[in-house]
Amino acid sequence: AQKVTQAQTEISVVEKEDVTLDCVYETRDTTYYLFWYKQPPSGELVFLIRRNSFDEQNEISGRYSWNFQKSTSSFNFTITASQVVDSAVYFCALSERYSSASKIIFGSGTRLSIRP
Amino acid sequence: GAVVSQHPSWVICKSGTSVKIECRSLDFQATTMFWYRQFPKQSLMLMATSNEGSKATYEQGVEKDKFLINHASLTLSTLTVTSAHPEDSSFYICSATSRTSYEQYFGPGTRLTVT
Repeated sequence: AQKVTQAQTEISVVEKEDVTLDCVYETRDTTYYLFWYKQPPSGELVFLIRRNSFDEQNEISGRYSWNFQKSTSSFNFTITASQVVDSAVYFCALSERYSSASKIIFGSGTRLSIRP
Repeated sequence: GAVVSQHPSWVICKSGTSVKIECRSLDFQATTMFWYRQFPKQSLMLMATSNEGSKATYEQGVEKDKFLINHASLTLSTLTVTSAHPEDSSFYICSATSRTSYEQYFGPGTRLTVT
């Protein structure tokens, strides 16, 4: 069975601090895909990243970075120099394969609040 | 980029009535569409998967007679909540995958309130 665990329910930091959102996943598949989505107060999901199970290279995109470690089944997300606009709920998600019919299993989400 | 729209963005209905939510892929043909439900401060839970021209596949625990899904064309899927009750009040989100890309594109969501 597939499962995504985001143990941090809520995080609150002061602007400009770095913050890491944890994600641990479970799957029996050798091929799978991991995602991070941002959900601002408007509710619309914003795609951030997709990573396949064969690519363990860390990814950096501006202030965002992701650390994928298969050995610990983790796919953590770090925001550097956080800004108020980063305040949102962030979901880590897992898909067993990459096809048109692939289901995406979401974690419970981490609510991030950035205080000015 | 690929755009998925939902209509309406919010709806209020009375208990016992039915309400239909539309999900459209605006600039691509959607092979598969997915319907999710999100209760306040909770995660997205997949309700069903639909393919154009065929019956939807419902997740365990989702009542297929209550949540009717029709994927009539490659650009439109509808979710009808029949005989709605207050406990059906939720945020409903659809997503779609294209024929040419397996990327799943999400709609903006529909907030349903049943009074």
